[in-house]
Amino acid sequence: KNEVEQSPQNLTAQEGEFITINCSYSVGISALHWLQQHPGGGIVSLFMLSSGKKKHGRLIATINIQEKHSSLHITASHPRDSAVYICAVPSGAGSYQLTFGKGTKLSVIP
Amino acid sequence: KAGVTQTPRYLIKTRGQQVTLSCSPISGHRSVSWYQQTPGQGLQFLFEYFSETQRNKGNFPGRFSGRQFSNSRSEMNVSTLELGDSALYLCASSVDGNTEAFFGQGTRLTVV
Repeated sequence: KNEVEQSPQNLTAQEGEFITINCSYSVGISALHWLQQHPGGGIVSLFMLSSGKKKHGRLIATINIQEKHSSLHITASHPRDSAVYICAVPSGAGSYQLTFGKGTKLSVIP
Repeated sequence: KAGVTQTPRYLIKTRGQQVTLSCSPISGHRSVSWYQQTPGQGLQFLFEYFSETQRNKGNFPGRFSGRQFSNSRSEMNVSTLELGDSALYLCASSVDGNTEAFFGQGTRLTVV
């Protein structure tokens, strides 16, 4: 079964700072998901990536398949980015079951 | 296009009762997965359905069950509710289970 480690668990940043959240997993995967959860519970899928790098606005996700590591970056952070960020990977090869990291709680202070 | 719709959004039940939660996936999505989120355990996988067949089941007791209909809508049922079943239940849909998943807003279940 895939083990997922996220760091840091909590992160406080000043508005405008560059943010990095890291995710490591133990078993080779086909793709990794980055999710965002705001207070109230709703989850938004930010990225699904299997190689290289993806960018949506101020968000950038990278993945290194060989090192089993992914990073989520937020440029020019804003208070509305305050949320919990979660990475998720398939539990094993060919599995439809996702295993989740414990999440990184980000607070961006004006 | 419409997103993933979960109903109801909030539910309060008494210990020993049973509950049914509903998930309507995005049109064209045939895979629906269910997850439980609690403060202590985080997000945990319950089960995944594709074309009315359960393909994967997480490590939950038999009191948790689900099904999927021919229109891809899915329901999950929890029988003999326990206090520990209080959680946010989320469903997610994708085209085939291997593509990007889209989550609903969740159903917050409180067992008293």
